[in-house]
Amino acid sequence: GQQVQQSPASLVLQEGENAELQCNFSTSLNSMQWFYQRPGGSLVSLFYNPSGTKHSGRLTSTTVIKERRSSLHISSSQTTDSGTYLCALEPGTGSNRLTFGKGTKFSLIP
Amino acid sequence: AQTIHQWPVAEIKAVGSPLSLGCTIKGKSSPNLYWYWQATGGTLQQLFYSITVGQVESVVQLNLSASRPKDDQFILSTEKLLLSHSGFYLCAWSLRLGGQQNTLYFGAGTRLSVL
Repeated sequence: GQQVQQSPASLVLQEGENAELQCNFSTSLNSMQWFYQRPGGSLVSLFYNPSGTKHSGRLTSTTVIKERRSSLHISSSQTTDSGTYLCALEPGTGSNRLTFGKGTKFSLIP
Repeated sequence: AQTIHQWPVAEIKAVGSPLSLGCTIKGKSSPNLYWYWQATGGTLQQLFYSITVGQVESVVQLNLSASRPKDDQFILSTEKLLLSHSGFYLCAWSLRLGGQQNTLYFGAGTRLSVL
């Protein structure tokens, strides 16, 4: 089965609203990485989060290993936040292989 | 500052023709290097990784090969393209920390259309 399940598949919000994106995982975790994929396809690293909560500007990532989930919170969303957000699981087995989620396509209504 | 450069930006190729995609990393010594592939509308998959010059590990079999001829260079190639090779190819690097992966930094990608 799928090791990383990302939800929702798509999200449409009004500008200024907060967004919550989730990744649930079924295997051992060394860390969860979050990326923003630009419309052109390139990826920008947002967080490397093995556990706990990390902040970066309006973004917050929380990884709870016991509950097998990691979330990305976007506060006061802006039109420039539109795009696809991907989570990627770094397994706890010592493997170099990241398993990516299918992504959340995030759109803002001005 | 580290920079990662991929070439070409885009390719349109015929089925059965050869392919070579390149990636160069500047400003970082002996990084881990990776090739990823994303079919249109699909999930990113790791194809290859390399932790040192001349050494490449295959992760997913797609009738592609990879080589690391220099510390800062990673090449993805095939002698005969298939329709299924179409998609978006991304090169990435990370620090070498005892073989464990750290944050990934991606290039701008190459969009490949096989006709």
